[in-house]
Amino acid sequence: GQNIDQPTEMTATEGAIVQINCTYQTSGFNGLFWYQQHAGEAPTFLSYNVLDGLEEKGRFSSFLSRSKGYSYLLLKELQMKDSASYLCAVFGVAGTYKYIFGTGTRLKVLA
Amino acid sequence: EAGVTQFPSHSVIEKGQTVTLRCDPISGHDNLYWYRRVMGKEIKFLLHFVKESKQDESGMPNNRFLAERTGGTYSTLKVQPAELEDSGVYFCASSQQGLTGELFFGEGSRLTVL
Repeated sequence: GQNIDQPTEMTATEGAIVQINCTYQTSGFNGLFWYQQHAGEAPTFLSYNVLDGLEEKGRFSSFLSRSKGYSYLLLKELQMKDSASYLCAVFGVAGTYKYIFGTGTRLKVLA
Repeated sequence: EAGVTQFPSHSVIEKGQTVTLRCDPISGHDNLYWYRRVMGKEIKFLLHFVKESKQDESGMPNNRFLAERTGGTYSTLKVQPAELEDSGVYFCASSQQGLTGELFFGEGSRLTVL
Protein backbone atom coordinates (compact mmCIF):
# COMPACT_ATOMS: atom_id res chain seq x y z
CA GLY A 1 0.00 0.00 0.00
CA GLN A 2 0.94 3.62 0.12
CA ASN A 3 0.44 4.51 3.77
CA ILE A 4 1.47 8.03 4.55
CA ASP A 5 1.77 8.70 8.25
CA GLN A 6 1.84 12.00 10.07
CA PRO A 7 1.33 12.90 13.72
CA THR A 8 -2.28 13.85 14.34
CA GLU A 9 -1.67 16.96 16.41
CA MET A 10 1.22 19.14 17.52
CA THR A 11 1.43 22.18 19.74
CA ALA A 12 4.16 24.82 19.70
CA THR A 13 4.78 28.32 21.00
CA GLU A 14 4.84 31.52 18.99
CA GLY A 15 8.38 32.28 17.83
CA ALA A 16 9.53 28.68 18.16
CA ILE A 17 10.57 26.15 15.51
CA VAL A 18 8.50 23.05 14.81
CA GLN A 19 9.22 20.00 12.66
CA ILE A 20 6.31 18.00 11.24
CA ASN A 21 7.30 14.53 10.09
CA CYS A 22 5.86 12.43 7.30
CA THR A 23 6.77 8.81 6.69
CA TYR A 24 5.57 6.77 3.76
CA GLN A 25 5.65 3.21 2.51
CA THR A 26 5.74 3.51 -1.23
CA SER A 27 8.32 3.02 -3.91
CA GLY A 28 8.90 5.17 -6.92
CA PHE A 29 7.21 8.53 -6.98
CA ASN A 30 7.85 11.84 -8.69
CA GLY A 31 7.78 14.20 -5.78
CA LEU A 32 6.57 14.98 -2.29
CA PHE A 33 4.40 18.01 -1.55
CA TRP A 34 3.41 19.87 1.58
CA TYR A 35 0.14 21.79 1.78
CA GLN A 36 -1.32 24.03 4.48
CA GLN A 37 -5.03 24.02 5.19
CA HIS A 38 -6.81 26.41 7.52
CA ALA A 39 -10.16 25.22 8.82
CA GLY A 40 -12.88 25.61 6.22
CA GLU A 41 -10.48 26.78 3.54
CA ALA A 42 -8.76 25.24 0.53
CA PRO A 43 -5.38 23.54 0.98
CA THR A 44 -2.59 25.79 -0.30
CA PHE A 45 0.81 24.76 -1.61
CA LEU A 46 3.82 25.22 0.64
CA SER A 47 6.73 23.22 -0.68
CA TYR A 48 7.80 20.45 -3.04
CA ASN A 49 10.76 18.03 -3.06
CA VAL A 50 11.88 15.93 -5.99
CA LEU A 51 15.45 15.20 -4.94
CA ASP A 52 16.74 14.29 -1.51
CA GLY A 53 17.70 17.24 0.58
CA LEU A 54 16.36 20.48 1.93
CA GLU A 55 14.20 22.99 0.06
CA GLU A 56 13.96 26.37 1.78
CA LYS A 57 11.20 28.92 1.19
CA GLY A 58 11.29 31.70 3.70
CA ARG A 59 10.11 30.49 7.11
CA PHE A 60 9.20 27.09 5.66
CA SER A 61 11.61 24.34 4.66
CA SER A 62 10.95 20.79 3.57
CA PHE A 63 13.32 17.85 3.60
CA LEU A 64 13.15 14.55 1.75
CA SER A 65 15.08 11.30 2.15
CA ARG A 66 13.86 8.71 -0.33
CA SER A 67 16.11 6.00 1.06
CA LYS A 68 14.57 6.45 4.49
CA GLY A 69 11.01 6.98 3.29
CA TYR A 70 10.85 10.18 5.24
CA SER A 71 10.09 13.86 4.84
CA TYR A 72 9.63 16.74 7.22
CA LEU A 73 8.31 20.27 7.11
CA LEU A 74 10.16 22.78 9.24
CA LEU A 75 8.42 25.96 10.31
CA LYS A 76 10.56 28.69 11.85
CA GLU A 77 9.61 31.80 13.81
CA LEU A 78 6.13 30.46 14.36
CA GLN A 79 3.25 32.89 14.16
CA MET A 80 -0.30 32.51 15.40
CA LYS A 81 -1.51 32.40 11.81
CA ASP A 82 0.50 29.19 11.28
CA SER A 83 -2.14 27.32 13.28
CA ALA A 84 -3.54 25.02 10.59
CA SER A 85 -3.44 21.48 9.27
CA TYR A 86 -0.34 20.46 7.32
CA LEU A 87 -0.77 17.81 4.65
CA CYS A 88 1.97 15.65 3.22
CA ALA A 89 1.32 14.19 -0.24
CA VAL A 90 3.29 12.02 -2.62
CA PHE A 91 2.76 12.46 -6.33
CA GLY A 92 3.23 10.10 -9.23
CA VAL A 93 3.40 6.75 -7.48
CA ALA A 94 4.14 3.89 -9.87
CA GLY A 95 3.70 6.05 -12.93
CA THR A 96 0.26 7.34 -11.99
CA TYR A 97 -0.74 10.99 -11.84
CA LYS A 98 -2.36 10.85 -8.44
CA TYR A 99 -1.45 12.81 -5.37
CA ILE A 100 -1.80 10.58 -2.32
CA PHE A 101 -2.32 12.46 0.91
CA GLY A 102 -1.53 11.72 4.52
CA THR A 103 -4.15 12.39 7.19
CA GLY A 104 -2.61 15.72 8.04
CA THR A 105 -1.12 17.21 11.19
CA ARG A 106 -3.12 19.80 13.09
CA LEU A 107 -0.72 22.40 14.47
CA LYS A 108 -1.72 24.73 17.29
CA VAL A 109 0.46 27.75 17.90
CA LEU A 110 0.13 29.19 21.39
CA ALA A 111 0.98 32.72 22.48
CA GLU B 1 -7.01 35.78 -11.55
CA ALA B 2 -9.86 33.67 -10.17
CA GLY B 3 -8.92 30.54 -8.28
CA VAL B 4 -10.63 27.17 -8.35
CA THR B 5 -14.27 27.65 -7.50
CA GLN B 6 -16.71 25.01 -6.33
CA PHE B 7 -20.46 25.03 -5.99
CA PRO B 8 -22.34 24.48 -3.78
CA SER B 9 -20.27 25.11 -0.69
CA HIS B 10 -22.62 22.95 1.33
CA SER B 11 -25.39 20.56 0.32
CA VAL B 12 -27.70 18.67 2.65
CA ILE B 13 -29.77 15.92 1.02
CA GLU B 14 -31.61 12.79 2.02
CA LYS B 15 -30.47 9.28 1.29
CA GLY B 16 -31.57 8.28 -2.19
CA GLN B 17 -31.55 11.78 -3.61
CA THR B 18 -29.21 13.11 -6.27
CA VAL B 19 -26.60 15.84 -5.94
CA THR B 20 -24.39 17.45 -8.54
CA LEU B 21 -21.25 19.27 -7.53
CA ARG B 22 -19.55 21.68 -9.87
CA CYS B 23 -15.94 22.75 -10.18
CA ASP B 24 -14.52 25.58 -12.26
CA PRO B 25 -10.74 25.17 -12.46
CA ILE B 26 -8.28 27.97 -13.03
CA SER B 27 -8.50 29.05 -16.67
CA GLY B 28 -5.94 27.24 -18.80
CA HIS B 29 -5.36 24.39 -16.38
CA ASP B 30 -5.59 21.12 -18.24
CA ASN B 31 -5.41 18.89 -15.18
CA LEU B 32 -8.46 18.65 -12.95
CA TYR B 33 -8.73 16.37 -9.94
CA TRP B 34 -11.56 15.43 -7.62
CA TYR B 35 -10.76 14.41 -4.06
CA ARG B 36 -12.91 13.55 -1.08
CA ARG B 37 -12.31 13.86 2.64
CA VAL B 38 -14.55 12.06 5.07
CA MET B 39 -14.39 13.09 8.71
CA GLY B 40 -11.15 12.13 10.42
CA LYS B 41 -9.65 10.54 7.34
CA GLU B 42 -7.14 11.61 4.73
CA ILE B 43 -8.01 13.39 1.50
CA LYS B 44 -8.59 10.58 -0.99
CA PHE B 45 -8.19 10.67 -4.75
CA LEU B 46 -11.32 10.13 -6.82
CA LEU B 47 -10.33 10.88 -10.39
CA HIS B 48 -8.18 12.93 -12.73
CA PHE B 49 -9.09 14.65 -15.99
CA VAL B 50 -6.66 15.89 -18.59
CA LYS B 51 -8.75 18.36 -20.55
CA GLU B 52 -11.99 16.49 -21.24
CA SER B 53 -10.52 12.99 -20.95
CA LYS B 54 -10.60 10.85 -17.83
CA GLN B 55 -6.97 9.99 -17.19
CA ASP B 56 -7.56 7.96 -14.06
CA GLU B 57 -10.81 7.18 -12.30
CA SER B 58 -9.51 4.42 -10.08
CA GLY B 59 -10.56 6.24 -6.93
CA MET B 60 -14.26 6.49 -7.76
CA PRO B 61 -16.05 4.50 -5.04
CA ASN B 62 -18.75 2.90 -7.20
CA ASN B 63 -21.04 3.48 -10.13
CA ARG B 64 -23.23 5.87 -8.17
CA PHE B 65 -20.57 8.47 -8.87
CA LEU B 66 -20.30 10.06 -12.30
CA ALA B 67 -17.85 12.79 -13.25
CA GLU B 68 -17.81 14.76 -16.46
CA ARG B 69 -15.76 17.54 -17.95
CA THR B 70 -17.42 18.48 -21.19
CA GLY B 71 -15.31 20.76 -23.34
CA GLY B 72 -12.40 20.49 -20.97
CA THR B 73 -13.46 23.43 -18.85
CA TYR B 74 -15.66 22.99 -15.77
CA SER B 75 -16.38 19.61 -14.27
CA THR B 76 -19.35 18.10 -12.49
CA LEU B 77 -19.50 15.24 -10.04
CA LYS B 78 -22.89 13.62 -9.66
CA VAL B 79 -23.85 11.25 -6.89
CA GLN B 80 -27.00 9.25 -7.65
CA PRO B 81 -28.50 7.87 -5.48
CA ALA B 82 -26.68 9.29 -2.49
CA GLU B 83 -25.93 7.09 0.52
CA LEU B 84 -25.02 8.04 4.08
CA GLU B 85 -21.36 7.10 3.61
CA ASP B 86 -21.05 9.63 0.79
CA SER B 87 -21.03 12.46 3.32
CA GLY B 88 -17.80 14.40 3.34
CA VAL B 89 -16.02 17.32 1.75
CA TYR B 90 -15.40 17.04 -1.99
CA PHE B 91 -12.39 19.01 -3.15
CA CYS B 92 -11.58 19.93 -6.69
CA ALA B 93 -8.04 20.88 -7.69
CA SER B 94 -6.39 21.92 -10.91
CA SER B 95 -2.86 22.25 -12.22
CA GLN B 96 -1.16 23.44 -15.36
CA GLN B 97 -0.07 21.26 -18.24
CA GLY B 98 2.71 18.94 -17.19
CA LEU B 99 2.27 16.77 -14.17
CA THR B 100 4.73 18.05 -11.64
CA GLY B 101 3.14 21.36 -10.83
CA GLU B 102 1.44 22.36 -7.63
CA LEU B 103 -2.23 21.72 -7.17
CA PHE B 104 -4.58 24.63 -6.69
CA PHE B 105 -7.53 23.58 -4.58
CA GLY B 106 -11.04 24.87 -4.33
CA GLU B 107 -12.59 25.41 -0.93
CA GLY B 108 -14.56 22.21 -1.23
CA SER B 109 -18.20 21.23 -1.34
CA ARG B 110 -19.45 19.78 1.91
CA LEU B 111 -22.02 17.05 1.33
CA THR B 112 -24.23 15.86 4.15
CA VAL B 113 -26.48 12.88 3.44
CA LEU B 114 -29.19 12.33 6.05
